Amino acid sequence: DTGVSQNPRHKITKRGQNVTFRCDPISEHNRLYWYRQTLGQGPEFLTYFQNEAQLEKSRLLSDRFSAERPKGSFSTLEIQRTEQGDSAMYLCASSLKDSPGEPEKLFFGSGTQLSVL
Amino acid sequence: GQQLNQSPQSMFIQEGEDVSMNCTSSSIFNTWLWYKQDPGEGPVLLIALYKAGELTSNGRLTAQFGITRKDSFLNISASIPSDVGIYFCAGRYSWGKLQFGAGTQVVVTP
Repeated sequence: DTGVSQNPRHKITKRGQNVTFRCDPISEHNRLYWYRQTLGQGPEFLTYFQNEAQLEKSRLLSDRFSAERPKGSFSTLEIQRTEQGDSAMYLCASSLKDSPGEPEKLFFGSGTQLSVL
Repeated sequence: GQQLNQSPQSMFIQEGEDVSMNCTSSSIFNTWLWYKQDPGEGPVLLIALYKAGELTSNGRLTAQFGITRKDSFLNISASIPSDVGIYFCAGRYSWGKLQFGAGTQVVVTP
């Protein structure tokens, strides 16, 4: 399978605990995005990377959230001191920026469903 | 928050009927994408549009990029049971992040 891979698929945690999610993008893709989705809503942008550089973070992103992409390949999203409001599906997407003649398309993984008790 | 208005919110149709949904934005977009999402899965790209007025088909799906660059439409012809799911529009002005609509839930009955 050469699609975007996310782990774990599901995570249940207690309020106040830290959690970390991993995303492995499509291998040749240089851009990686994190989105959050709650029930009945479309995905909401959190942050994105081009190679290892984090180019944009949503103003809605709490300081408890941090993302890394240390070698420009896989990425991790960490949430510290989780709150019940953090419960959501966390989606990762990747794309190939500046592919000649091919405008950017985002391809999503299956997501990590987080439940904070 | 989201700046896209997607309608209708849900649709209940019979197998074989055509489906139409649309998305409007308060801002001009240079790219419109349409995705389908099944329960517990990530969105899957259906159609991408890059030019105002562009009409693009993917099997029974047809999408159009509005001339004003502030809207887009998706049509599904002759619906089948596997068309069930949530359809999202997404738009982008220049590069980087996509903004998503709230989705249209499609239910197909035999």
